[in-house]
Amino acid sequence: EAGVTQFPSHSVIEKGQTVTLRCDPISGHDNLYWYRRVMGKEIKFLLHFVKESKQDESGMPNNRFLAERTGGTYSTLKVQPAELEDSGVYFCASSQGTGGAYISYNEQFFGPGTRLTVL
Amino acid sequence: AQTVTQSQPEMSVQEAETVTLSCTYDTSESDYYLFWYKQPPSRQMILVIRQEAYKQQNATENRFSVNFQKAAKSFSLKISDSQLGDAAMYFCAYRGVLGSYQLTFGKGTKLSVIP
Repeated sequence: EAGVTQFPSHSVIEKGQTVTLRCDPISGHDNLYWYRRVMGKEIKFLLHFVKESKQDESGMPNNRFLAERTGGTYSTLKVQPAELEDSGVYFCASSQGTGGAYISYNEQFFGPGTRLTVL
Repeated sequence: AQTVTQSQPEMSVQEAETVTLSCTYDTSESDYYLFWYKQPPSRQMILVIRQEAYKQQNATENRFSVNFQKAAKSFSLKISDSQLGDAAMYFCAYRGVLGSYQLTFGKGTKLSVIP
């Protein structure tokens, strides 16, 4: 079974340009997550989709970031316009199932990441 | 808010020896999950081991084991009989059981294995 895939693996853009990252989760996984790691810092949560709905977008840094998951399959993360501080590695993860108020163990499977460099 | 601290940016170990990676965390919740993830160079992050906070017994997965000290909020990873393939970034992560699925990560520890 294919794992989580991300495209592109690397992207180098100029400040002010637009970039769109794509994530394909494991088939059948309702939950999809975006994380980001800025150089030398922690991996930070950005947002969580359950199917096509945004369940938690508390980690999105500002309105230059737009995430979508049309049809509840793959997801895109658009950065427009890109700034220097947006450089980092963007990870996508997916997991099965949906919980109620109490969230049971639900392993998140990670993709290889997209390394974004904004010049 | 929960925080996870990994105080060792880099560690090294001789092949076949044992190494322990440290992780501390801060939370006001009584139930939660803790994880160690491994990211080999240029490859994706994989789950190494997990611990449920309500379980007193330390988790073990083959050569990987944890020392979970709930009162001290400490969650260290021990790798026994280190192998060259263990060289990677290791991330400690926390996840609560109420409300949010998000993982809270530490900064990571880069482990080198010396032949």
